[in-house]
Amino acid sequence: SQQGEEDPQALSIQEGENATMNCSYKTSINNLQWYRQNSGRGLVHLILIRSNEREKHSGRLRVTLDTSKKSSSLLITASRAADTASYFCATDARGRSEKLVFGKGTKLTVNP
Amino acid sequence: DVKVTQSSRYLVKRTGEKVFLECVQDMDHENMFWYRQDPGLGLRLIYFSYDVKMKEKGDIPEGYSVSREKKERFSLILESASTNQTSMYLCASSTTHGTQYFGPGTRLLVL
Repeated sequence: SQQGEEDPQALSIQEGENATMNCSYKTSINNLQWYRQNSGRGLVHLILIRSNEREKHSGRLRVTLDTSKKSSSLLITASRAADTASYFCATDARGRSEKLVFGKGTKLTVNP
Repeated sequence: DVKVTQSSRYLVKRTGEKVFLECVQDMDHENMFWYRQDPGLGLRLIYFSYDVKMKEKGDIPEGYSVSREKKERFSLILESASTNQTSMYLCASSTTHGTQYFGPGTRLLVL
């Protein structure tokens, strides 16, 4: 299966700490995306990194991609209670780049 | 901002009923998707559509059908609802090779 797998499944940290989530996948990709989901809501796109990029930043988010290891990481710096959510990686292979395959997510809890 | 709306946030239906879930997007996106999300299983693609009247099965199409008569609207149909279709249903839209934009989700309970 192409499905990405996030690690860890759950993460609990204190406000102000950094949170790192990892994603591994199995086949070649064109790009990898990270999404966030607040409890009981739809997913919101955070960042997209292309296969020829190694690192990308957006505000307090830093994403890295290592295509040789088929892995990506999402770092949230100086976390806030409002960052509490589930985070999913999504890959786009399987010959149809408009279709995404989502992992099962990392549930992040940021304690005030 | 892209807006994807779903007809209901919560829905309760009885086994055997025909159920329609509606999704509308306002950004003229070519692609639209229906997923279901279950604890421990993540998001699974039911169907997607890449143009009006064009559809493709996803990973779990059994028990579902879809309709896309207009570009902005994508409907998911449960012909005869069953209890194992109790789930959170998420609609999304995207341009080709693009980011997906999700609706708020419909939590369906089939009794």
